[in-house]
Amino acid sequence: QVQLRESGPGLVKPSETLSLTCIVSAYSISSGYYWGWIRQPPGKGLEWIGSIYPSGGTYYNPSLKSRVTSSLDTSKNQVSLKVYSVTAADTALYYCATRLVAGSGSWYFDLWGRGTLVTVSS
Amino acid sequence: QSVLTQPPSVSAAPGQKVTISCSGSSSNIGNNYVSWYQHLPGTAPKLLIYDNNERPSGIPDRFSGSKSGTSATLGITGLQTGDEADYYCGTWDSSLSSGVFGGGTKLTVL
Repeated sequence: QVQLRESGPGLVKPSETLSLTCIVSAYSISSGYYWGWIRQPPGKGLEWIGSIYPSGGTYYNPSLKSRVTSSLDTSKNQVSLKVYSVTAADTALYYCATRLVAGSGSWYFDLWGRGTLVTVSS
Repeated sequence: QSVLTQPPSVSAAPGQKVTISCSGSSSNIGNNYVSWYQHLPGTAPKLLIYDNNERPSGIPDRFSGSKSGTSATLGITGLQTGDEADYYCGTWDSSLSSGVFGGGTKLTVL
């Protein structure tokens, strides 16, 4: 069955770059509808970071657009996210998610990973 | 502050029914489809409802979704202790050009 597993550094220093990887099993990232990143700060709700299509096209949350980049590595079947110039406000549980099934043009994610906790601290 | 407003918590007894509301505006819920997710801490969030009222394969019909105007509702009947979780609504916001989620509702099955 299709599985998503997030991988990250755990701890990042302020002003540095956070790099996350979503390892996808049993499904090609060249397929599917889109791949996305969502985060959840401690004690808060979910925040959509952005999505990337198999074509490489990307959409980002306007509030984060200037500091994030997502990409696909088809050779490793992985989806990546970089968050630049991090601050304590970027401390969160980061989820990789996807919409595998096409159909209506609505926005949702039908499969999620378990998330990886990233703490920004010196 | 989330763009979509959900009650922080709801509770009901086993076997009973509960509804969770999600309030938005014309730029999000009013003109876009709504989805609902179940999240038990430490696990992957699970899609319960998409396109306002559609259930993915494997989701029991105890879970239902509806939308009216700028609000959406998740209904859960025949409550079980295993339903205790956080529930989130989500949709696209055409004005923000961004996906948005509610702040989440914690369901307690008493």
